[in-house]
Amino acid sequence: GAGVSQSPSNKVTEKGKDVELRCDPISGHTALYWYRQRLGQGLEFLIYFQGNSAPDKSGLPSDRFSAERTGESVSTLTIQRTQQEDSAVYLCASSLRGRAGELFFGEGSRLTVL
Amino acid sequence: AQSVTQPDIHITVSEGASLELRCNYSYGATPYLFWYVQSPGQGLQLLLKYFSGDTLVQGIKGFEAEFKRSQSSFNLRKPSVHWSDAAEYFCAVGSLGGLTFGKGTHLIIQP
Repeated sequence: GAGVSQSPSNKVTEKGKDVELRCDPISGHTALYWYRQRLGQGLEFLIYFQGNSAPDKSGLPSDRFSAERTGESVSTLTIQRTQQEDSAVYLCASSLRGRAGELFFGEGSRLTVL
Repeated sequence: AQSVTQPDIHITVSEGASLELRCNYSYGATPYLFWYVQSPGQGLQLLLKYFSGDTLVQGIKGFEAEFKRSQSSFNLRKPSVHWSDAAEYFCAVGSLGGLTFGKGTHLIIQP
């Protein structure tokens, strides 16, 4: 596709359930980022993938959060045992190698934990 | 550690008036600086970026920003706003490993 695609666009789940969010980056973009945006807040960095290098997981808030990426394609963000404070919009972005900071964002996955 | 401060949570301007959104940063080296816009129901879009060189940078949609090292600022400006500029604006600082974003400024346009 032409842009970054995220699914689902909306997810409502019960506290304690696991959720999986998917991101399909722009073809050819080697870098992929996950951010979290809570209501009325800025973007909070979660994790960064660059090609086949080890990911930068420094932003993951707890061990309930994990992410995977196969090569330079799709990424999944998994949240285990969801809590109400996990409710947020999860944004994925991708960029070309060497184009630091020039991120192309998807429209996000809105997660609501009841 | 790097950080970004956007002092204004909300700003209201009249259509056709000029606009300046403030951004201050903290970064250990020469920063890469960015402004992104998030329109209702849309993803974030890059407005402009500063890497080096000329401290006044031009972006899309008629926006510009000026890097002032002495003030650690990167303020966004537009000479005349349009109703379609109503959105959330985020300043960011960073490098290859990702960006640190400010909390955003919500721009309201009055008719």
